[in-house]
Amino acid sequence: GEDVEQSLFLSVREGDSSVINCTYTDSSSTYLYWYKQEPGAGLQLLTYIFSNMDMKQDQRLTVLLNKKDKHLSLRIADTQTGDSAIYFCAEANAGNNRKLIWGLGTSLAVNP
Amino acid sequence: DVKVTQSSRYLVKRTGEKVFLECVQDMDHENMFWYRQDPGLGLRLIYFSYDVKMKEKGDIPEGYSVSREKKERFSLILESASTNQTSMYLCASSHGGLLGWSTEAFFGQGTRLTVV
Repeated sequence: GEDVEQSLFLSVREGDSSVINCTYTDSSSTYLYWYKQEPGAGLQLLTYIFSNMDMKQDQRLTVLLNKKDKHLSLRIADTQTGDSAIYFCAEANAGNNRKLIWGLGTSLAVNP
Repeated sequence: DVKVTQSSRYLVKRTGEKVFLECVQDMDHENMFWYRQDPGLGLRLIYFSYDVKMKEKGDIPEGYSVSREKKERFSLILESASTNQTSMYLCASSHGGLLGWSTEAFFGQGTRLTVV
């Protein structure tokens, strides 16, 4: 079945860029998402990208999609302590549009 | 703002009890979901519903049931709680329907259930 993988931990210094990576197996993915979960809270959508796009930029966030390699990345510029959270990659496709397939989440620690 | 509200933030129940987790959304969303979140296992889908009185099993439905009598409310039921159901439970909703579906799922704040 479909699978989404991401590394579990990332540690960066405040002010540096963070890059969180994700790979997926579903070749018919239509939408790819990044969600953020702060401690003790639910998830909230950070950004998403359609599969016909290569890049999407939104303020400090840059999403890159390599469809050939089925690789998605999230870059956070000028990382702040408030960015410390778990970041989930997820994908959906038109044939399975009611369900998202989730990665396990990357825990980002930002050190002062 | 879309709001998904879960009835409790923290809940402690005894083994064998029947447990109800309630979720209400205020955006007239068709789709509603129940997940559980455990360290190292990510989010796992228990059940979802795409319309009133409709339900579909997710990846781990065993030991759970659901009820959707009204569009805005989706309940998760643990018929006989067991210690391995101690977890964080997350409810989510999204727009869906015949004409398309939303790219965004909105989540509640989560219910941390402890079964002792």
